[in-house]
Amino acid sequence: DAGVTQSPTHLIKTRGQHVTLRCSPISGHKSVSWYQQVLGQGPQFIFQYYEKEERGRGNFPDRFSARQFPNYSSELNVNALLLGDSALYLCASSLLGPYEQYFGPGTRLTVT
Amino acid sequence: AQRVTQPEKLLSVFKGAPVELKCNYSYSGSPELFWYVQYSRQRLQLLLRHISRESIKGFTADLNKGETSFHLKKPFAQEEDSAMYYCALSGQGGKLIFGQGTELSVKP
Repeated sequence: DAGVTQSPTHLIKTRGQHVTLRCSPISGHKSVSWYQQVLGQGPQFIFQYYEKEERGRGNFPDRFSARQFPNYSSELNVNALLLGDSALYLCASSLLGPYEQYFGPGTRLTVT
Repeated sequence: AQRVTQPEKLLSVFKGAPVELKCNYSYSGSPELFWYVQYSRQRLQLLLRHISRESIKGFTADLNKGETSFHLKKPFAQEEDSAMYYCALSGQGGKLIFGQGTELSVKP
């Protein structure tokens, strides 16, 4: 198993554009969480999905949305990009909830 | 408020010296605490969790509810321990709350 995979690896977008980030969990894991990591800070929780339902949401504006598909993969969408959205976006999967979360390599988003 | 504080951004020690990375938390209820590590060019990975009471790579961490601390310790640092270390708390709604991280640098 390759572990949690994320695509793309890097992305450059312009202010006002929209972006979609993708995550494939470890086989058998039903929970996916998304985190934003700004340079020099720890990861900040955005969303958690379990069995295709949103189970938790962090303090992020409505421009951020996500969903989980029947195969448990997930997408994070960000609309109307701002310069401050530039960050490393991490996806983590687990069998259930927050326990033993396994992280992907992240997607580096740069907004210019 | 649920919060994790790691007061040191950088900790530099010599090989063979003891290491203590500090972590304090704020949480009402029984916390679930973790230490994650990120080695250079690698993904974030779980180092240890307090309920398992394990020693991983020589590291241990004890939950002190009175002092609301979960410090990470190792008696003799190795160069390969150089990495970013994050303390994390499992909060309400199933989210992990991370501290800002401490960069550990072990010099030869």
